[in-house]
Amino acid sequence: GQSLEQPSEVTAVEGAIVQINCTYQTSGFYGLSWYQQHDGGAPTFLSYNALDGLEETGRFSSFLSRSDSYGYLLLQELQMKDSASYFCAVRDQGDKIIFGKGTRLHILP
Amino acid sequence: GAVVSQHPSRVICKSGTSVKIECRSLDFQATTMFWYRQFPKQSLMLMATSNEGSKATYEQGVEKDKFLINHASLTLSTLTVTSAHPEDSSFYICSAGHHLGGNNEQFFGPGTRLTVL
Repeated sequence: GQSLEQPSEVTAVEGAIVQINCTYQTSGFYGLSWYQQHDGGAPTFLSYNALDGLEETGRFSSFLSRSDSYGYLLLQELQMKDSASYFCAVRDQGDKIIFGKGTRLHILP
Repeated sequence: GAVVSQHPSRVICKSGTSVKIECRSLDFQATTMFWYRQFPKQSLMLMATSNEGSKATYEQGVEKDKFLINHASLTLSTLTVTSAHPEDSSFYICSAGHHLGGNNEQFFGPGTRLTVL
């Protein structure tokens, strides 16, 4: 079966750093992606890790350890507009994407 | 580049009617598109993989006779919800893959909110 585990909610303060963890168990694995979704909107792509290590894109970084079936999304210098749901997703065979249940990020002023 | 559109963005229909949702890749060709459904405060659940020129591949538990998928061209896939019922009310999102910057990234449409009365 396929399962991705991530915390349901995380709360952080504006300007701080927050890490959202994701562990996965999937039959196929071609990479771990992260998506952001604001209420009422569609998911937007944030990052993709096919190999172990850290990928940095501006304030967002994503990490993958394939041996541990684990990854995380790191958000720095949090802004109020970062309040959203964040989904980790495994890319399966044939470009199919399986999503985790999502982490709701609340940012306090 | 790599824009995916959906039409309509919102639809309200009566129970028992059928609703067609279109997904278009505007500036690239997509041999494969994906259809997802998302209930409030839940994750995106993959419904089916739409393959251009061939039958769609449905995920376990998704009724293929209820959710008809047609991928007639490299830029258009349609999802028809047949004999819709209130429990089919949901947010339907499509995606298409495109090689951008060396990665095969999935680009999502803006979604279609279906409400069945």
